[in-house]
Amino acid sequence: GAVVSQHPSWVICKSGTSVKIECRSLDFQATTMFWYRQFPKQSLMLMATSNEGSKATYEQGVEKDKFLINHASLTLSTLTVTSAHPEDSSFYICSARDRRTSGYGEQFFGPGTRLTVL
Amino acid sequence: DAKTTQPTSMDCAEGRAANLPCNHSTISGNEYVYWYRQIHSQGPQYIIHGLKNNETNEMASLIITEDRKSSTLILPHATLRDTAVYYCIVRDNSGGGADGLTFGKGTHLIIQP
Repeated sequence: GAVVSQHPSWVICKSGTSVKIECRSLDFQATTMFWYRQFPKQSLMLMATSNEGSKATYEQGVEKDKFLINHASLTLSTLTVTSAHPEDSSFYICSARDRRTSGYGEQFFGPGTRLTVL
Repeated sequence: DAKTTQPTSMDCAEGRAANLPCNHSTISGNEYVYWYRQIHSQGPQYIIHGLKNNETNEMASLIITEDRKSSTLILPHATLRDTAVYYCIVRDNSGGGADGLTFGKGTHLIIQP
């Protein structure tokens, strides 16, 4: 149980284009989903928190107009990187909290999406 | 959330127990200790968590000192597939764990054949 998937697993795009990344909880309903970013040889950095049916909360320094998050259902959140530039190239990882065990706080992570912007 | 300190890297022989230490001297009464690991180019994997009692599951054991200022994650019989970066995270769950996780640099555990 507690499986989170991401699609695509990797993507290459041209500078100036937009890329959408999907995060799905496959066997549970997610109260909250989180988006992280990881640059090479660095640790994960939280970008934003999204709750189903409400606006995402962004961490300081993360541009909300550039990284659009939509959490339309309890099993799906999407991250759209708009007008991508080479400096947006990174490993994007989502995680989800299981609604049934939300009091314990553990998060289940997706496999990540490697974005390369040319 | 309280800050944690972990060694940058550790080696362990395959088949032996891997003991990963974590210092969290400023931990408060409401804060839990969580362990995650990240195998190269994958998303992190939840391992175990605890408040003050020692915990064990199918993956590992978590030993928390009586004063809660440090803890040790134990992988009882390490295999090559346990090579990963291990993150010790301290967080307050009083809000239902609704916040994202703050990852430090973690410990790069290398299992040697």
